[in-house]
Amino acid sequence: GQNIDQPTEMTATEGAIVQINCTYQTSGFNGLFWYQQHAGEAPTFLSYNVLDGLEEKGRFSSFLSRSKGYSYLLLKELQMKDSASYLCAVRDGGQNFVFGPGTRLSVLP
Amino acid sequence: AAGVIQSPRHLIKEKRETATLKCYPIPRHDTVYWYQQGPGQDPQFLISFYEKMQSDKGSIPDRFSAQQFSDYHSELNMSSLELGDSALYFCASSLDPGTLGNEQFFGPGTRLTVL
Repeated sequence: GQNIDQPTEMTATEGAIVQINCTYQTSGFNGLFWYQQHAGEAPTFLSYNVLDGLEEKGRFSSFLSRSKGYSYLLLKELQMKDSASYLCAVRDGGQNFVFGPGTRLSVLP
Repeated sequence: AAGVIQSPRHLIKEKRETATLKCYPIPRHDTVYWYQQGPGQDPQFLISFYEKMQSDKGSIPDRFSAQQFSDYHSELNMSSLELGDSALYFCASSLDPGTLGNEQFFGPGTRLTVL
């Protein structure tokens, strides 16, 4: 079966760094995506990994280890507007997107 | 830049009624995905279409059906609505899913409320 795990909630302080982990078990693997979603809004794309290693994009970085079925999203220099849910999604062998439960991040002043 | 368009944005229906949600993908995107997201839940994949053919089916109830038309827009038809169908319905589009890295672009969603 398909299974993606993320922590349910995380809290961090403005200006700090936070790492959100994601582990997955899917039928095939064709890439891992991270999305940000504010309450009541559509998910927006943050990053994509298909090969092992780190992808950096401004304040956001994402890491993938395919052998471990593991990824993390790193957010640096946290801002209040980063308070949102962060969804880990895997494109499986059937080219379908399987979403994790999301991690609700609260950034405190 | 053009984005995914969904209509209507809000819809209120009563139990046992029918509803039709529409999705207009980004120009040149040939793949459409439908998701259902209940309050506080992650998006659940319902169904997808590639080049007007159903490409995969997720947790879509038998009461629901969908299709993709020649202009690539898609419609999700929902019949015999139940209270539990109240949710945010997202449509997303992407380029050919066979091309790795083609992310999905999400529409703003249709909020369906069943009374």
